[in-house]
Amino acid sequence: GAVVSQHPSRVICKSGTSVKIECRSLDFQATTMFWYRQFPKQSLMLMATSNEGSKATYEQGVEKDKFLINHASLTLSTLTVTSAHPEDSSFYICSALKYSNQPQHFGDGTRLSIL
Amino acid sequence: QQPVQSPQAVILREGEDAVINCSSSKALYSVHWYRQKHGEAPVFLMILLKGGEQKGHEKISASFNEKKQQSSLYLTASQLSYSGTYFCGTPDQGAQKLVFGQGTRLTINP
Repeated sequence: GAVVSQHPSRVICKSGTSVKIECRSLDFQATTMFWYRQFPKQSLMLMATSNEGSKATYEQGVEKDKFLINHASLTLSTLTVTSAHPEDSSFYICSALKYSNQPQHFGDGTRLSIL
Repeated sequence: QQPVQSPQAVILREGEDAVINCSSSKALYSVHWYRQKHGEAPVFLMILLKGGEQKGHEKISASFNEKKQQSSLYLTASQLSYSGTYFCGTPDQGAQKLVFGQGTRLTINP
């Protein structure tokens, strides 16, 4: 089955640090990758849609200068949380999509804790 | 527009059945069902694309009504492993991105 790898699984760092999260589709080429944020006991909230070779499309209210997305290839997208603050602490999850009307395959998520 | 799920939470004993609903005031392009266990990523269950469609097997199945405004997920003879939060997701205005419902937390007790 389709496998998406996300690293790191957990990050604990000081306020002001920038954190980079990687999302890789291991056995297929993803036309599109998505980045979500999930707070405890809440739903998945889409942050941005990422397509290889083009700028990411951010959802309303998501700061593009704070959450930098780079989609270097059809198998790799990265999310960098710049100058992270405690309110950025959350569970970040990526997903990858091969074709439209197909399942999104999710990575295992990254739990980010900013002290 | 975020689809609405009901109920918000269900507590069952092992072997009992459950139905989770996902509805919208507008026709949906498709409905995707996922299950997420605590601290883990969502796992894909199934997609329904056509009005009137039914999919799955006897233990976990789903339907999509004719008007494509409601989908239901059926969990039969529930097992402990069925515990988790179930989300329905639907493409936003036909785009590839999904908008997820608020989730239904299912707890199965021995």
